[in-house]
Amino acid sequence: DIQMTQSPSSLSASVGDRVTITCRASQSISSYLNWYQQKPGKAPQLLIYAASSLQSGVPSRFSGSGSGTDFTLTISSLQPEDFATYYCQQSYSTPYTFGQGTNLEIK
Amino acid sequence: EVQLVESGGGLVQPGRSLRLSCAASGFTFDDYAMHWVRQAPGKGLEWVSGISWNGGSLGYADSVKGRFTISRDNAKNSLYLQMNSLRTEDMALYYCAKSGGSGTYYNNWFDPWGQGTLVTVSS
Repeated sequence: DIQMTQSPSSLSASVGDRVTITCRASQSISSYLNWYQQKPGKAPQLLIYAASSLQSGVPSRFSGSGSGTDFTLTISSLQPEDFATYYCQQSYSTPYTFGQGTNLEIK
Repeated sequence: EVQLVESGGGLVQPGRSLRLSCAASGFTFDDYAMHWVRQAPGKGLEWVSGISWNGGSLGYADSVKGRFTISRDNAKNSLYLQMNSLRTEDMALYYCAKSGGSGTYYNNWFDPWGQGTLVTVSS
């Protein structure tokens, strides 16, 4: 199985900050990498698919990059509604696997 | 609007069975693969199983292989998960999710997700 490792596991930031979350795969997954946001008590929502494609309706302050084994999710200017947990997911091969999550908190 | 509504969760004893359902609406159900993803209380996300548009291809996480069976009824726009020999480690919120843009269950992302149905395994 492909292991996905996110860093950091938790992050404190302020409104307006630029934030970067990293996801590393245990083997090359080309661009088969997706990002989700989950707020407490809610289902995850897709933000980015295929490493860098912004899902329809997602604000443009979210962006994704990377290929191979190393990927990043960047939020250019944090908004109050962005404080949540973020997960990466590889779709290169089954079983699909997720990173352990990054909890983004208000500083 | 795409809607996925899960049902069938509840309290069950270890070793018993449960069948989850997911009712889909707002899209052409038989154009898309579908998946189950679970989340144990306070934990991360775990893909459980996926099935292609016609049921011809399907797959399972190692943790449930041989115990869980995924199926779909395209005439009823419904997805199912038959869970047998349940264990305490199967206790989780089970989400139904539509594949992103594909009828095969390969190379899928998940969008959208239902609100989940809670499975509690306890004696």
